[in-house]
Amino acid sequence: EPEVTQTPSHQVTQMGQEVILRCVPISNHLYFYWYRQILGQKVEFLVSFYNNEISEKSEIFDDQFSVERPDGSNFTLKIRSTKLEDSAMYFCASTILALGLSGPGQFFGPGTRLTVL
Amino acid sequence: GQQLNQSPQSMFIQEGEDVSMNCTSSSIFNTWLWYKQDPGEGPVLLIALYKAGELTSNGRLTAQFGITRKDSFLNISASIPSDVGIYFCAGSSYNNNDMRFGAGTRLTVKP
Repeated sequence: EPEVTQTPSHQVTQMGQEVILRCVPISNHLYFYWYRQILGQKVEFLVSFYNNEISEKSEIFDDQFSVERPDGSNFTLKIRSTKLEDSAMYFCASTILALGLSGPGQFFGPGTRLTVL
Repeated sequence: GQQLNQSPQSMFIQEGEDVSMNCTSSSIFNTWLWYKQDPGEGPVLLIALYKAGELTSNGRLTAQFGITRKDSFLNISASIPSDVGIYFCAGSSYNNNDMRFGAGTRLTVKP
């Protein structure tokens, strides 16, 4: 069964460093998403991406964050200068259709645990 | 912004019991999704709902999209130990391509 994959599974970085989190969405999906989950808290939407541009972003997704689809399979989240409070699980997700339209739903990857020291 | 209230926050039940949890929204949603998350893993989609009033089952799970489009519930019948985990509701609307999550219901099932 097709699935969303993410690498690395765990990333440890020093405050102020840049990190890139990588995702490979399900191959026939067209819409891609990043979410964040701070330990013990709910999942928070960061950004959605379609047709090579951002379609929605939350208030969390500030200038320190950027997303890119560098080729036909990868979808990346970059944090330019990490802060302690960026420590969280980061989940990538994908859908065939836009959210709100009938379809098989949104599928999540296993996540990348980011630890900022 | 859209606010999702999910309740209860946690439940402790005996194996075999039925479970019910729900979410309410401050605004109308066009999609409700229910996810289960095990520790250290990503959310796994359980049920997706796209129409007001829709009632959908997936094995022992049943979920409904409220008529007002501002609420949804998830029922689990005859719970088993592997039902343990955190259940999240999530919703989105036509006019934006984002998804808002509830705070989760932590389910504990005692054998």
